[in-house]
Order: sequence, then structure tokens, then C-alpha cells
Amino acid sequence: GQQLNQSPQSMFIQEGEDVSMNCTSSSIFNTWLWYKQDPGEGPVLLIALYKAGELTSNGRLTAQFGITRKDSFLNISASIPSDVGIYFCAGQLPKRYIFGTGTRLKVLA
Amino acid sequence: DVKVTQSSRYLVKRTGEKVFLECVQDMDHENMFWYRQDPGLGLRLIYFSYDVKMKEKGDIPEGYSVSREKKERFSLILESASTNQTSMYLCASSLYTASYNSPLHFGNGTRLTVT
Repeated sequence: GQQLNQSPQSMFIQEGEDVSMNCTSSSIFNTWLWYKQDPGEGPVLLIALYKAGELTSNGRLTAQFGITRKDSFLNISASIPSDVGIYFCAGQLPKRYIFGTGTRLKVLA
Repeated sequence: DVKVTQSSRYLVKRTGEKVFLECVQDMDHENMFWYRQDPGLGLRLIYFSYDVKMKEKGDIPEGYSVSREKKERFSLILESASTNQTSMYLCASSLYTASYNSPLHFGNGTRLTVT
């Protein structure tokens, strides 16, 4: 099935650093979603974006819906050890969702 | 908050067994989905349902069937479990089919091992 291109694939960062990741598509989406998944758990919705150019925050997380509607960005500020996990994006189509390949984040204390 | 509950976190079944995975959501969502998640392959859609008794095949329906007799419950059935169905299974739901303001909410997953 189709997957969205997400980068970076993985990253090690120091605690306190800011993190950026992005997701790109060849298709236009009307909704972008960002999730975090901890090992052995289901994905948890972090942020939902519904409008091109929209910038939405959830605590230390900020996500943006790209103007072209073909990309989205997630930033995490002042990372902490519990930010460790896999982050992935999703775009919504009628009756289905397309997921990114995921960014594995590891935080060094 | 939306709650999507999968009945089992871990299951171990033998090859050839019939396996039922149950999922319940408590927010009156129209849509329910079953995915499997495997390393390197991401999330793959098995089946989805946009209404009671309605179902549509996803990308990998072979070896699976589903049942949605009530709006809140969506069951995934492995008719005859095989070792290549060992995976993490994720149930999800969303509010409306026609609306784009309808994020997907996942359950906690069922780790199925077929021996």
C-alpha cells in the first residue's frame, strides 16, 4: 500500500534539544495527523491539522500543515526522555488513511 | 476522550485455530478499521467498516474476515491461523466517512503469536 515519506528515519538527540521531522506526499490531503507510538502500545493521536498553513500546538509539540497540502512538519521543543518513541504522520483520504514510514526518536539524557 | 478497547493485549494460538480479535469503541463512531503492523512494513489495512453490517476489503484481506453486528463493536476473524499472521493487530475508529475533520483513534493493540 501507499506510504508517506517521513524523515528522518531515526534520530538521537540530547535531552533539552529541539526536534524537527517532516512528512511529504505526492498527493494532496485535507487532513494531516501526527501520532506517537511507544513500544508494544497503540499509536496515540498528538495533533490533527485541517487547513493548509495551519499551525497547531499541543504542549511542547507544534505541527504545521504545509501550504501545498502535500507536506506537514512536527517540532518537539526541549525534548525529555519520555519523548522516546516512534512518531508517524498520516493523511486522510475518503474511507482511508495513509501513514508515514515513521521517525524513531531516541533521547540521550 | 475517545476510547478504543481491544479485548486482548497478547494472544498465543496454534496453526489452524480460528481466532477472534475483538474491538469496542465508546464514541458512536461510524468507521472502524483493522490494521496489522509489522517491522519495515508499517501499518497495513486489513478491513474497514463504515456502518453496521457494512465492510470493505483493505490492502491485505486474505486469510481474514470481519464482523460488525453493532456500531460499537468490530471483530477480526482469522479463519485458520497461520504463522505468517503473527503480528501486532491494531483496531481504530473515526467519526464520519464524509468529513475530513475526523481523526483516527487507535486501540492499544493485540500482539498475536501463531505457533
